[in-house]
Amino acid sequence: DIQMTQSPSSLSASVGDRVTITCRASQGIRTYLNWYQQKPGKAPDLLIFGASNLQSGVPSRFSGSGSGTDFALTISILQPEDFATYYCQQSFSVPRTFGQGTKVDIK
Amino acid sequence: EVQLVESGGGLVKRGGSLRLSCAASGFSFSKVSMTWVRQGPGKGLEWVGHIKSYTDGGTTDYAAPVEGRFTISRDDSKDTLYLQMNSLKTEDTAVYYCILDADYFDSGNFYNVFDLWGRGALVTVSS
Repeated sequence: DIQMTQSPSSLSASVGDRVTITCRASQGIRTYLNWYQQKPGKAPDLLIFGASNLQSGVPSRFSGSGSGTDFALTISILQPEDFATYYCQQSFSVPRTFGQGTKVDIK
Repeated sequence: EVQLVESGGGLVKRGGSLRLSCAASGFSFSKVSMTWVRQGPGKGLEWVGHIKSYTDGGTTDYAAPVEGRFTISRDDSKDTLYLQMNSLKTEDTAVYYCILDADYFDSGNFYNVFDLWGRGALVTVSS
């Protein structure tokens, strides 16, 4: 199974900050990497697919990068509605696996 | 409206069984693959398994922790997905999400994503 490791597990940031979350795969997954955002009590929403493709309707302040084993999700200017937990997930092979999540909260 | 609605969650004793249902509407259910993902209390997301469309073979795959105990099935005549859970353990306590799989195309590749999620069904396994 492919292990996905996110860092950090949590971070505190202020509105307007630039935030970067990283995700590392235990083996190469090319660009088969998705990012999801989950708010408390809600199901996750797809943000980015294929490592860098923004899902329709997702604000352009979100961006993704990387290929192979190392990936990143960046929020260029943090907004109040961005405080949430973010998960990476590989779609390269079965079983599908998620990172452990990164909680972004208010400093 | 495109939506997924889970039902059948509840409290069950360790070793017991439970069946979750997921009613789909607003899309061609028979043509798509479907997935179950769970989230334990205060924990991250865990893939449970998936079922392909019958056009693609109708095959299933499962995560190791549930293999042999859980069974995913579908009834395309009812636009409904099922998760039969047997020999339940306390560590199976979680919110179970039903998900529509989709393949998005970009730069020559099809990327599988968890496109639409239900609201989730809470399963609590007591000792």
